[in-house]
Amino acid sequence: ETGVTQSPTHLIKTRGQQVTLRCSSQSGHNTVSWYQQALGQGPQFIFQYYREEENGRGNFPPRFSGLQFPNYSSELNVNALELDDSALYLCASSLAAGAGNTIYFGEGSWLTVV
Amino acid sequence: GQNIDQPTEMTATEGAIVQINCTYQTSGFNGLFWYQQHAGEAPTFLSYNVLDGLEEKGRFSSFLSRSKGYSYLLLKELQMKDSASYLCAVPYILTGGGNKLTFGTGTQLKVEL
Repeated sequence: ETGVTQSPTHLIKTRGQQVTLRCSSQSGHNTVSWYQQALGQGPQFIFQYYREEENGRGNFPPRFSGLQFPNYSSELNVNALELDDSALYLCASSLAAGAGNTIYFGEGSWLTVV
Repeated sequence: GQNIDQPTEMTATEGAIVQINCTYQTSGFNGLFWYQQHAGEAPTFLSYNVLDGLEEKGRFSSFLSRSKGYSYLLLKELQMKDSASYLCAVPYILTGGGNKLTFGTGTQLKVEL
């Protein structure tokens, strides 16, 4: 139990649709990151939010966007879904400063695009 | 850039010891994490090494050699519940001070009777 909660846990969308995934960070954590994990692969960094601003982005197109709210919770939005977007989407929370600060992951949202 | 290599699969026997290796190449080193991930679940933190040497934590130990770009995770007295994917990851500090993790593909460990 990491204290990071995500919703929904599973969902199925059609190609071209849009999806919103939600995350509540661990209490006291001000930084939220999103990762995409395809089957058999390690998680890939999508982006990070700190103080409601995007604070770094991985190699993902602009149709992946996000928000962070004053209570540090966050949303990941994906527009114009493609079949390759099918993956486990992980939210992770941490404190902002320091490379050694442990990043705690939520249980993830399984997205299937058909 | 950052590049991480680890074996894809390993099999070991219950009660035995297994060593999972990880080699990395990174521009600027800020430590190395190990995570455990059971099928269908979130990765859970196991260890963080920033200095050379072995750090022991119960049945699990993690070793780091910065000069060799090498780490390993040692699991002793293997139990069936240790069957999982073990992910090696290095952090990269972002401009705003937070960090992002670059993961290897994970080593799928199967513990057999």
